[in-house]
Amino acid sequence: GDSVTQMEGPVTLSEEAFLTINCTYTATGYPSLFWYVQYPGEGLQLLLKATKADDKGSNKGFEATYRKETTSFHLEKGSVQVSDSAVYFCALSDQNTNAGKSTFGDGTTLTVKP
Amino acid sequence: EADIYQTPRYLVIGTGKKITLECSQTMGHDKMYWYQQDPGMELHLIHYSYGVNSTEKGDLSSESTVSRIRTEHFPLTLESARPSHTSQYLCASNLGLSDSPLHFGNGTRLTVT
Repeated sequence: GDSVTQMEGPVTLSEEAFLTINCTYTATGYPSLFWYVQYPGEGLQLLLKATKADDKGSNKGFEATYRKETTSFHLEKGSVQVSDSAVYFCALSDQNTNAGKSTFGDGTTLTVKP
Repeated sequence: EADIYQTPRYLVIGTGKKITLECSQTMGHDKMYWYQQDPGMELHLIHYSYGVNSTEKGDLSSESTVSRIRTEHFPLTLESARPSHTSQYLCASNLGLSDSPLHFGNGTRLTVT
């Protein structure tokens, strides 16, 4: 079945540091890939997505590229801010079965210190 | 700005009580989902629905039940709450296509004493 493996946390960085959160996936078909962010006390919200190989999703300075050859979708940001402190989830949605039903990674908690 | 609404945000209730967690969305989405979120932040799908009168159990077994009588409404019910039900419950919806992102509510944090 489908699965998502993301980098274990927690991750603690200083403000303006470079961020990478690794995400790899296993899927039977050609999934769409997503990163969601959850701020304290809130639900998840979409950060970015990519729907086919070599697509790059980007939003709020975050980027991730859909790499089919390495089955990866790593999240990056060049300079993090304190306000980026949150939990980040990588997810996939497989077009072949149960379209729209998502598989999530376990989440990575990011703390950015001033 | 949420287009999917969950009430209550917080609920503390005694063992044995019946509770209903409400979830409504204004986007006309056919597909709706309930997730249970651990203190460790992992998400577990417990119920989903592909439309009116459609409900399915998710990947994690749950003693809760759901109903989908109207497109916009997907309530979750626990007939007899237990301390093991203490958790965060997140409702979500989407168009149901593979490239459709999920829209989440802000969650209900349930504590059963």
